[in-house]
Amino acid sequence: SAVISQKPSRDICQRGTSLTIQCQVDSQVTMMFWYRQQPGQSLTLIATANQGSEATYESGFVIDKFPISRPNLTFSTLTVSNMSPEDSSIYLCSVVLNSGANVLTFGAGSRLTVL
Amino acid sequence: AQTVTQSQPEMSVQEAETVTLSCTYDTSESDYYLFWYKQPPSRQMILVIRQEAYKQQNATENRFSVNFQKAAKSFSLKISDSQLGDAAMYFCAYRSPRGDMRFGAGTRLTVKP
Repeated sequence: SAVISQKPSRDICQRGTSLTIQCQVDSQVTMMFWYRQQPGQSLTLIATANQGSEATYESGFVIDKFPISRPNLTFSTLTVSNMSPEDSSIYLCSVVLNSGANVLTFGAGSRLTVL
Repeated sequence: AQTVTQSQPEMSVQEAETVTLSCTYDTSESDYYLFWYKQPPSRQMILVIRQEAYKQQNATENRFSVNFQKAAKSFSLKISDSQLGDAAMYFCAYRSPRGDMRFGAGTRLTVKP
């Protein structure tokens, strides 16, 4: 198994500001994803973080709002830009390990509250 | 696009009893993976059990087992001898060969002592 460190674990943000969430894995991974979980809802895939190239975004999510970086095989960031109260959610980093048998492993999530 | 449906928003079970959570999915792919994840109040997503579509045998992990019906696109989770620690949100998930995973809406399981 792998240890996935996500930070911040929670934050309270002001409308109009931006926040960057970091995801660090202690082993190399083949794939990294970012999910959003709105209050009381299921997980929705935001994008696949591609190492060394632009992320692949799902329908309804755009790079200007959710810029993603993945400079290497073990680290990625998700920025939530120009936040509004509707962005209040848990954001989860998830990975497929090189030896992960197609299992998605999750970080503990970052709970953002936008006032 | 693949969709995952969990028709039971909430379920309740008596401690030590058995409960079955339902999940259906829609796909045109023949090769894929199915999962059940558990999310306790700590919000950490925990893998409960997984099933490869090419395997006919139903997966089993201790008290957890699945009933995988590929033709019917059904993937239910059975929890035997329910324990208080089983109380959580349970999400059914579908993973395509491309790698992205889709989740159902979730079922909130309550375990009564």
